[in-house]
Amino acid sequence: KAGVTQTPRYLIKTRGQQVTLSCSPISGHRSVSWYQQTPGQGLQFLFEYFSETQRNKGNFPGRFSGRQFSNSRSEMNVSTLELGDSALYLCASSRTGTGAETQYFGPGTRLLVL
Amino acid sequence: GQSLEQPSEVTAVEGAIVQINCTYQTSGFYGLSWYQQHDGGAPTFLSYNALDGLEETGRFSSFLSRSDSYGYLLLQELQMKDSASYFCAVRDRGDSSYKLIFGSGTRLLVRP
Repeated sequence: KAGVTQTPRYLIKTRGQQVTLSCSPISGHRSVSWYQQTPGQGLQFLFEYFSETQRNKGNFPGRFSGRQFSNSRSEMNVSTLELGDSALYLCASSRTGTGAETQYFGPGTRLLVL
Repeated sequence: GQSLEQPSEVTAVEGAIVQINCTYQTSGFYGLSWYQQHDGGAPTFLSYNALDGLEETGRFSSFLSRSDSYGYLLLQELQMKDSASYFCAVRDRGDSSYKLIFGSGTRLLVRP
C-alpha cells in the first residue's frame, strides 16, 4: 500500500508570493492533517480535513488555508508569504481521524521563503 | 495552556538502554504517542498509550501514567540507526476530531 505523498518536495518562493502544497493520503484514509515544522517552534498543527470539511484548526493566521477534494487529496495554501513561513510542511492521514487511529506522515514539503 | 516537556538531547552507547521522558499539560487528553524522525525524514509512528501501563513493540516500549501526566519511551539494545529525534505527542480532541500536540523533540545520539 502506497504511503502518504506530498508534492512538491522542495520549493523556493519570495516574500509576498503565495504557494500551494499538495498531499495525497493513503488509500482509504479520509482524514488529512497538516503540520508545520520549524527549528524554533517544532511541530505545530495547522488544520484537519475530513470529507471535504475542515473539522479542526490550529492557531495560525488566516493566510494559511486548505481544502480537501472528494478523493481525499488535500491542498494547503499560504498567501502573502513571510520569511518566517520557511518550514517543513507535513501532512498526515488516518482513516477517520478519531479514536486510537495512528496518523501516518508524508515526507513533507520543504519551503524556503527568500 | 498546552505544553509537553522532554529532554532536548540524550547520548547513549550502542547496545545500551535509554529512556526518554515526557511530561505534559493539556486541556484534553486522549492518549500519548511517540514518533521517530531521522534528519530530513518524516515522523514515523512508534507507539501509542491510551491507558496507564507499559506497551511493548519489539525493542521499543512506552509507558504512561495519566495521574502523573507522564510517559516515557524506552529503547533497548540500541543500534546506530536509532540515532534520530523522538517526539512525544498528546492526542487532544478538537470539536470533532483529534489533533496531535507535539513536544519539542529529543535528539538521540547513539555512539559506537
